Amino acid sequence: ETGVTQTPRHLVMGMTNKKSLKCEQHLGHNAMYWYKQSAKKPLELMFVYNFKEQTENNSVPSRFSPECPNSSHLFLHLHTLQPEDSALYLCASSLDRGGGTEAFFGQGTRLTVV
Amino acid sequence: EDKVVQSPLSLVVHEGDTVTLNCSYEVTNFRSLLWYKQEKKAPTFLFMLTSSGIEKKSGRLSSILDKKELFSILNITATQTGDSAIYLCAVVNAGNMLTFGGGTRLMVKP
Repeated sequence: ETGVTQTPRHLVMGMTNKKSLKCEQHLGHNAMYWYKQSAKKPLELMFVYNFKEQTENNSVPSRFSPECPNSSHLFLHLHTLQPEDSALYLCASSLDRGGGTEAFFGQGTRLTVV
Repeated sequence: EDKVVQSPLSLVVHEGDTVTLNCSYEVTNFRSLLWYKQEKKAPTFLFMLTSSGIEKKSGRLSSILDKKELFSILNITATQTGDSAIYLCAVVNAGNMLTFGGGTRLMVKP
């Protein structure tokens, strides 16, 4: 356990469904991240939040909607996804976005879109 | 655009062998290079390198950075089956963005 908890661990959803992924950390970190890991592709950064403010949106389609109500929680709201969105979604947190401090990852949510 | 290339893509060795994993990068305003081990799901942090020529060591694992030639290596000596994983390299730029390489998939056979 790294101190970053993601739920659910597995999710199967239809293309018309709406679901949310949750990430929680109590490490006192101020930066939180969403990554997508598809088969045969490097980890792709999706969103970055620093002190609850979104600082990066890496050209992610609007069917992915992040929410960061406080520094400890991060959500990824999903709606009208496509089968190609099936992937492992990883949440990470770091002390801050400066100094290259290491990011701690959650266990991920394995998402399957049918 | 920052770029990280890892080699080899995959590697199969036997227990007791020594392996060297490579990571080369192109990055605007380099800050640090990170190595992670990913088994099943969550990547776990191994090393953070910021200075050239200084070896970081943890048990059988060690890593070194060459900022002139823009690469890093991760060495694993006396490999064990538990070392089987994907090893990820990432660089952090001055904007504090992480860019990951594609990883090296290591399989250690008994």
